[in-house]
Amino acid sequence: SQTIHQWPATLVQPVGSPLSLECTVEGTSNPNLYWYRQAAGRGLQLLFYSVGIGQISSEVPQNLSASRPQDRQFILSSKKLLLSDSGFYLCAWSRQTLGYTFGSGTRLTVV
Amino acid sequence: GENVEQHPSTLSVQEGDSAVIKCTYSDSASNYFPWYKQELGKRPQLIIDIRSNVGEKKDQRIAVTLNKTAKHFSLHITETQPEDSAVYFCAASASGGSYIPTFGRGTSLIVHP
Repeated sequence: SQTIHQWPATLVQPVGSPLSLECTVEGTSNPNLYWYRQAAGRGLQLLFYSVGIGQISSEVPQNLSASRPQDRQFILSSKKLLLSDSGFYLCAWSRQTLGYTFGSGTRLTVV
Repeated sequence: GENVEQHPSTLSVQEGDSAVIKCTYSDSASNYFPWYKQELGKRPQLIIDIRSNVGEKKDQRIAVTLNKTAKHFSLHITETQPEDSAVYFCAASASGGSYIPTFGRGTSLIVHP
């Protein structure tokens, strides 16, 4: 069966520090991978998606970047965090005929 | 692109009552409609989905209906329980391509004991 791992679960970082969140998927090949941010409230904001190794599409201009160095690995990064980067970050994967499966999320607080 | 509207934003019911959440979509090419439940501080989880070749699907106390002509679909929860309290998201997408669902803004369901 397929599983998705996301870490860390919580993170407190100072303004201006770098960020690296990692997501890996097991039990499937060539998944579509996504990063979402959920600010206080409920909405799911799509940040990046990837349909293959090295292929990254960005949905919104921002302080963040994403990379997919391996088929089942998706990384969200920042060189310098802003206060506004705080939120709940969710990784997800899908195949064409299946719904999303979300990772357990990372709660990031920038102080 | 696709636009998904979800109503209501908040729904408060008494335990045992039914709850209905409605979504509309704009892209007639959309053919897959999942619903997600997100409990406080946790990840959204798929609870039920429906494809465009089906008008209704039921799983115990949860059902989803789809009206392709009117471009709307609804989530029905019967005999609500306090553990049904969560935020519910609808989504619409078309199979193929990069498969990016468009999510509704969410409905906060509160079930009072």
